[in-house]
Amino acid sequence: GEDVEQSLFLSVREGDSSVINCTYTDSSSTYLYWYKQEPGAGLQLLTYIFSNMDMKQDQRLTVLLNKKDKHLSLRIADTQTGDSAIYFCAESRGSQGNLIFGKGTKLSVKP
Amino acid sequence: DGGITQSPKYLFRKEGQNVTLSCEQNLNHDAMYWYRQDPGQGLRLIYYSQIVNDFQKGDIAEGYSVSREKKESFPLTVTSAQKNPTAFYLCASGLIATGELFFGEGSRLTVL
Repeated sequence: GEDVEQSLFLSVREGDSSVINCTYTDSSSTYLYWYKQEPGAGLQLLTYIFSNMDMKQDQRLTVLLNKKDKHLSLRIADTQTGDSAIYFCAESRGSQGNLIFGKGTKLSVKP
Repeated sequence: DGGITQSPKYLFRKEGQNVTLSCEQNLNHDAMYWYRQDPGQGLRLIYYSQIVNDFQKGDIAEGYSVSREKKESFPLTVTSAQKNPTAFYLCASGLIATGELFFGEGSRLTVL
């Protein structure tokens, strides 16, 4: 298909790890992104990974990229209630690099 | 502080009226974007601009118009031709080289 796909919901307990998965479509995408949106607010860039990398770690966040399967994941270690939000996966597509977003995964963290 | 500012945050409009949403950035970014967000739909691109005095249609441009007279400003007009304008509108500016986007806080438009 042509869409960036993500599961819509994920629920975890505080202190557990969260893994949010995404499949993208354009094998020529140069960068892949994870954005976070809190209720009623804009999107905030969490991290991005260059397409020639397999993994990127930034504090509690780990991004894994499987180019063969066009699969991207975001792992949040020691998930906190403040991590509750919608997480969007995005790929850059085309010569002008416009971002194509998934529909977002709503992460709920239970105490 | 550097950032991107959208106004108003909430807006109500009667059917048949045009309304303009403001977006201003002081990040010195060349590229600016307007997205529409509906529940369960993710973000859809309305218009984008990569340089002053030039802009391109996105995936859902019908019923919308934009201008880019200054680098800092990219206002969006929702016209009466837009059949279903009630939505959350997000403006972003960004770096063309990496595609990294910086978003405003959004404007929620409700048509009464």
